[in-house]
Amino acid sequence: EAGVTQSPTHLIKTRGQQVTLRCSPISGHTSVYWYQQALGLGLQFLLWYDEGEERNRGNFPPRFSGRQFPNYSSELNVNALELEDSALYLCASSLDRGRETQYFGPGTRLLVL
Amino acid sequence: GQNIDQPTEMTATEGAIVQINCTYQTSGFNGLFWYQQHAGEAPTFLSYNVLDGLEEKGRFSSFLSRSKGYSYLLLKELQMKDSASYLCAVSTGGGNKLTFGTGTQLKVEL
Repeated sequence: EAGVTQSPTHLIKTRGQQVTLRCSPISGHTSVYWYQQALGLGLQFLLWYDEGEERNRGNFPPRFSGRQFPNYSSELNVNALELEDSALYLCASSLDRGRETQYFGPGTRLLVL
Repeated sequence: GQNIDQPTEMTATEGAIVQINCTYQTSGFNGLFWYQQHAGEAPTFLSYNVLDGLEEKGRFSSFLSRSKGYSYLLLKELQMKDSASYLCAVSTGGGNKLTFGTGTQLKVEL
């Protein structure tokens, strides 16, 4: 069974640009979570999508947004990139919005110059 | 607010036993997860505790005391490949939102 997949694996952008990151959950999983892991910091919760709806978001500005498609895949969009957005962006999926284990993808490493 | 504390670094010897502690203060509690993360890789699931007590899974065990806001991960028969960061995460609220500690970097030496 395929795990969570993310694309691209690496990305370099400049300040002010916009970026879109993609995630495909494990087959059968309906919930998708996005986390940011900046260097030296713990994983910070960004967004949670379930059944196509945004269910919760972390303490991040509105320029971080996303969506979930009917096939449960998801996109994370970051507008007006800032240097401090440089981080590993991890996507996780779980069976449903209950108390299910989250399984992580390999992440997208974003560098903002 | 949410607060999760873990030691930053630990060092242990191959073949030994190591205990990684995690204390938490959170608004709400659904359960506690432990993940392993090797450098440059995604976190991988190790264990999940929702009730007080010890959960054993091979060389790895995890303990939870909800009244004390405390958990530990016990690794037995340490191997070099166990060198990694170990993340404690608490699930809160509807939808299993995870709040992570900053992780404990474990170094296993010969």
